[in-house]
Amino acid sequence: TQLLEQSPQFLSIQEGENLTVYCNSSSVFSSLQWYRQEPGEGPVLLVTVVTGGEVKKLKRLTFQFGDARKDSSLHITAAQPGDTGLYLCAGAKPGANNLFFGTGTRLTVIP
Amino acid sequence: GAVVSQHPSRVICKSGTSVKIECRSLDFQATTMFWYRQFPKQSLMLMATSNEGSKATYEQGVEKDKFLINHASLTLSTLTVTSAHPEDSSFYICSAVTGYEQYFGPGTRLTVT
Repeated sequence: TQLLEQSPQFLSIQEGENLTVYCNSSSVFSSLQWYRQEPGEGPVLLVTVVTGGEVKKLKRLTFQFGDARKDSSLHITAAQPGDTGLYLCAGAKPGANNLFFGTGTRLTVIP
Repeated sequence: GAVVSQHPSRVICKSGTSVKIECRSLDFQATTMFWYRQFPKQSLMLMATSNEGSKATYEQGVEKDKFLINHASLTLSTLTVTSAHPEDSSFYICSAVTGYEQYFGPGTRLTVT
């Protein structure tokens, strides 16, 4: 059983559209990280959120940590083909530094 | 951001041989590194936690005698796949911890023929 469930699993959209990816769990995390991974490469850290209710923006990407620190969302505005990739959320339990990875969301942005 | 390297990026070996993969933190020291395995179109699966100066901690179902981990310094951890078999073919990724963030290496594609 996966500790973190992401939805949707696959997403194919047109360039310029908006989208939201969800990362949900029944467990509480001390921090949650979002990564993007390209084929054949390692995940690249996008953001870390640590406070319940926290919102962070990275250009067209907006990340939110749930108030109870059990879930998170990633919203992309005006998606571009360069946003294509596998998006992974990962949470750290209190007192531990190993990460539990989500199931992943594979995004394709069509020009 | 912090940089983590892996070597080699790709390796092909024959069944029964051993392969060593190196993971280095280039611009920071890491007392803890992690080794993951990733199958095609799937998320990352944690194999083990590598702690500098002590034995690695393996996840349930991961054979410690098959996947040997050595974390001899604060910037280097190695994973040796012993007596490799075709089912060991996979994408192996390491990460290193600084603060409360993990930074990942570029991965090593292992193919066992």
